[in-house]
Amino acid sequence: DAGVIQSPRHEVTEMGQEVTLRCKPISGHNSLFWYRQTMMRGLELLIYFNNNVPIDDSGMPEDRFSAKMPNASFSTLKIQPSEPRDSAVYFCASSEQGSQLYEQYFGPGTRLTVT
Amino acid sequence: AQSVTQLDSQVPVFEEAPVELRCNYSSSVSVYLFWYVQYPNQGLQLLLKYLSGSTLVKGINGFEAEFNKSQTSFHLRKPSVHISDTAEYFCAVRTNAGKSTFGDGTTLTVKP
Repeated sequence: DAGVIQSPRHEVTEMGQEVTLRCKPISGHNSLFWYRQTMMRGLELLIYFNNNVPIDDSGMPEDRFSAKMPNASFSTLKIQPSEPRDSAVYFCASSEQGSQLYEQYFGPGTRLTVT
Repeated sequence: AQSVTQLDSQVPVFEEAPVELRCNYSSSVSVYLFWYVQYPNQGLQLLLKYLSGSTLVKGINGFEAEFNKSQTSFHLRKPSVHISDTAEYFCAVRTNAGKSTFGDGTTLTVKP
């Protein structure tokens, strides 16, 4: 298996632009997680899905952030409009069968820079 | 709600020395415990996990951790570290509801 795939790996954009991050979970996994990692805040859970349904989005910082999972093999995290403080590495992770017993497999991350 | 505290933000050690990375947690419900490692410019990888049973858990790369319920700790240990162990290490807890909480990370630097 190719593991969790994220694209793009790097994104540089200007403040005010829309940013869309993409994630393909491991086949057969039906839980998907979006995290943000910064030096100041560490690793933060933004939102997670079970069976394509958002379960907990309490970590989404504000209305500028939205996430979707239209099917079991694809998810997006959108920021509109982007701001410099959104600069971070965004990780997507997936786990098997939606069970709390199974570890998460992380993608390589998308490094977002908003200027 | 649950929280995770990694007591050391940076741990420098010499090669072949033993190391312990400390993790304490708090939770009002039962949790499952994990240690992840993050190498530079990479995502997190699972080192080991505690779900139930024996409180001493062995993971990859010679790491092990011991779950101590009374002290609500899950410290990570390795008897002899290598240069290649230099990375950031994250302790995490996960509830039955599936929500994970990560600690702030400990940067392990192994010096020759």
